Amino acid sequence: GAVVSQHPSWVICKSGTSVKIECRSLDFQATTMFWYRQFPKQSLMLMATSNEGSKATYEQGVEKDKFLINHASLTLSTLTVTSAHPEDSSFYICSARSGSSHNEQFFGPGTRLTVL
Amino acid sequence: GQNIDQPTEMTATEGAIVQINCTYQTSGFNGLFWYQQHAGEAPTFLSYNVLDGLEEKGRFSSFLSRSKGYSYLLLKELQMKDSASYLCAVSDSNYQLIWGAGTKLIIKP
Repeated sequence: GAVVSQHPSWVICKSGTSVKIECRSLDFQATTMFWYRQFPKQSLMLMATSNEGSKATYEQGVEKDKFLINHASLTLSTLTVTSAHPEDSSFYICSARSGSSHNEQFFGPGTRLTVL
Repeated sequence: GQNIDQPTEMTATEGAIVQINCTYQTSGFNGLFWYQQHAGEAPTFLSYNVLDGLEEKGRFSSFLSRSKGYSYLLLKELQMKDSASYLCAVSDSNYQLIWGAGTKLIIKP
């Protein structure tokens, strides 16, 4: 199956700093990538959808100036949490979908962010 | 609005069979997915149904009835490692996944 990687797998940072999370599709071209956030004991919450070469579409309630998404190539998307605060501590998961598949999303292993 | 309903938690015994139900109301339908998620890990794909009927894959089977907006995931010969959350997700008219809140399955010896 298709493989999606995320880096880093976990990160601890101080409040006010920015954190960048990378999502890569290793063996296919991902025309669309999705960024999710999951708080403990809750379901996945879609934050934004990004298509290669265009601006990301953010879900309602997600601040686009705080969560910067770049999808500059068909294999890489990045999420930058700017000026992180403790309430941003969460499990961030990306998924990728190829142009040949309208449906199946392949998930990365997730990044656990802890903001002190 | 769009809505996916599944039970919050279920308990079953090792070696037994359990059925996790999912009902949905979405704008359009392009298939239904079941994912398994262990605590602290990302979801992993289990099954995909787009036509009515039963899809069997080893110990896991998934059923879909589009007219009823209903699906279930059937797990047979339960093992302790099956303890996880099971997420139902529907692909809507824009091919965007609408997620259920997940069903936490607890397996007891």
